Amino acid sequence: EAGVAQSPRYKIIEKRQSVAFWCNPISGHATLYWYQQILGQGPKLLIQFQNNGVVDDSQLPKDRFSAERLKGVDSTLKIQPAKLEDSAVYLCASSRRTSGALGGIQYFGAGTRLSVL
Amino acid sequence: AQSVTQPDIHITVSEGASLELRCNYSYGATPYLFWYVQSPGQGLQLLLKYFSGDTLVQGIKGFEAEFKRSQSSFNLRKPSVHWSDAAEYFCAGVNNAGNMLTFGGGTRLMVKP
Repeated sequence: EAGVAQSPRYKIIEKRQSVAFWCNPISGHATLYWYQQILGQGPKLLIQFQNNGVVDDSQLPKDRFSAERLKGVDSTLKIQPAKLEDSAVYLCASSRRTSGALGGIQYFGAGTRLSVL
Repeated sequence: AQSVTQPDIHITVSEGASLELRCNYSYGATPYLFWYVQSPGQGLQLLLKYFSGDTLVQGIKGFEAEFKRSQSSFNLRKPSVHWSDAAEYFCAGVNNAGNMLTFGGGTRLMVKP
């Protein structure tokens, strides 16, 4: 079974530029998550999708961050304009369902490391 | 607030020595608990999980963890550490009514030869 795919692996941009990250979840997984992991910290949930609908985006800085999952499969996370403090690893994860014991297991991609200069 | 805490930021052990990484949780009801490992430049790999039942759970790579309700803990253990175990370890929990995974701050494990 293929894992969660993310691209690019690395991205370097200057502040005020825009950037986009792509994620392809495990086949058949209805729920998709984007996390931000700042160096030295644990991952923090940014947004959670169930199929193509948003379940939780309470921690997404909506003035600059946006995410979509139009067909309920792939997802894109965008930052526009980027700030220095957005430098982090952006992790995508997927799970079979939103809730419940077995559905609660999240599988993670390798992440995209963003450096904002 | 629901949370997961890892008291140790860094731990160094000698190769072959035993290991215990601490994790404390704060949830109203028994949560689902997980341990993940993250090697440099890699995503998070699930080591083991606790949902219910037997409080001692076995995971991959020789790791185990014990759920102790009385201490609100879910510590990760390994009897003999290998150099390849050097990585960052994250404890995480989710309320069994939902699916918002909350991570601890992580413990960086270093292994001395």
